[in-house]
Amino acid sequence: DGGITQSPKYLFRKEGQNVTLSCEQNLNHDAMYWYRQDPGQGLRLIYYSQIVNDFQKGDIAEGYSVSREKKESFPLTVTSAQKNPTAFYLCASASSGRLYEQYFGPGTRLTVT
Amino acid sequence: DQQVKQNSPSLSVQEGRISILNCDYTNSMFDYFLWYKKYPAEGPTFLISISSIKDKNEDGRFTVFLNKSAKHLSLHIVPSQPGDSAVYFCAARNLAPLVFGKGTRLSVIA
Repeated sequence: DGGITQSPKYLFRKEGQNVTLSCEQNLNHDAMYWYRQDPGQGLRLIYYSQIVNDFQKGDIAEGYSVSREKKESFPLTVTSAQKNPTAFYLCASASSGRLYEQYFGPGTRLTVT
Repeated sequence: DQQVKQNSPSLSVQEGRISILNCDYTNSMFDYFLWYKKYPAEGPTFLISISSIKDKNEDGRFTVFLNKSAKHLSLHIVPSQPGDSAVYFCAARNLAPLVFGKGTRLSVIA
């Protein structure tokens, strides 16, 4: 079954700790994206990568970091510098020929207390 | 500066009737528009799209209309079903990652 997996579904952390969210896809897509969803805010782009070993900041990159060492994987680290890390995080991917059609994973709900 | 706006946070429609979700944009360089549907605690799923060179695209019960002069697009769902109850996001693209609106929550009442 082709698709995007995000793990875990729910994640709890103490304030001041870094946490890494996993995103894996087996769709052979070149591009991968990280979004954050807050109530009433829609989807806001954190980082994206269109090719392995390359990535760009989105609209709200501060306090986050990413890596793209493999085509299939695009992990997101929420650092202690992120002031409001509690949110629903969504990973997406798209093929290079149809970048406008993104496929989303099921999301990870991160709660930081 | 919000380039894609969905001005109605919510919409309620009776089962069997038409649902019309609206979206306005400001960037005339957008060349592709999409609608996504999202259930709570799940990722959005792609619903339907339209290129800027077209004014209508239809897929079953879903039709998207694009009015470039007004910088407006709409999603029509006919007939509406209870399973259509979800948040609908409008998105647009111009050579870069998609820009999403804030979403409209559709409730279809049986």
